[in-house]
Amino acid sequence: EPEVTQTPSHQVTQMGQEVILRCVPISNHLYFYWYRQILGQKVEFLVSFYNNEISEKSEIFDDQFSVERPDGSNFTLKIRSTKLEDSAMYFCASTAYNSPLHFGNGTRLTVT
Amino acid sequence: SQQGEEDPQALSIQEGENATMNCSYKTSINNLQWYRQNSGRGLVHLILIRSNEREKHSGRLRVTLDTSKKSSSLLITASRAADTASYFCATVFLLGAGSYQLTFGKGTKLSVIP
Repeated sequence: EPEVTQTPSHQVTQMGQEVILRCVPISNHLYFYWYRQILGQKVEFLVSFYNNEISEKSEIFDDQFSVERPDGSNFTLKIRSTKLEDSAMYFCASTAYNSPLHFGNGTRLTVT
Repeated sequence: SQQGEEDPQALSIQEGENATMNCSYKTSINNLQWYRQNSGRGLVHLILIRSNEREKHSGRLRVTLDTSKKSSSLLITASRAADTASYFCATVFLLGAGSYQLTFGKGTKLSVIP
């Protein structure tokens, strides 16, 4: 069964550094999402992406965050200048319209 | 916010018992979904129930939806130790331009004791 893949599984970075989290969604899906989960807390919506543009974003998704689908297969989340509070699991998800989301296994981001 | 809120926050039962988790939400939805998350892993979709449905079954899972009360329940029958995980409800709200938003509740942490 096709699945969403995320790389790397764990990323350690220093505060102020830029990070790029990568995702390969399921190939025939059209809607793409990033969520994050701070340890022990709920899963929080960051951004949704459809038709090569952001369709919705949360308050968390400020100017430090950006998303791209550079080549029709990858879907990336960039954090320009990481802060300690950005430490979390970041999940990518994709779906067809009005269907369940398929999640990747996440990237654990640790900002030191 | 149309966020779902699960209760209880934590549930501990013996293997073989049934587990019931509840979810309440605030606004109209298109559908409601339940997901499972094993510790440190991604979320796995369990079941989707649309706003015009009242009950759905999938194996040992039974989901109900009461749109008048804005609530849903997930029942796991004959629980197994392998069911130990966190369970999240997610409410789906259709936006314009063919997009929709899925918002998760805080989850119920289920422990099934062998």
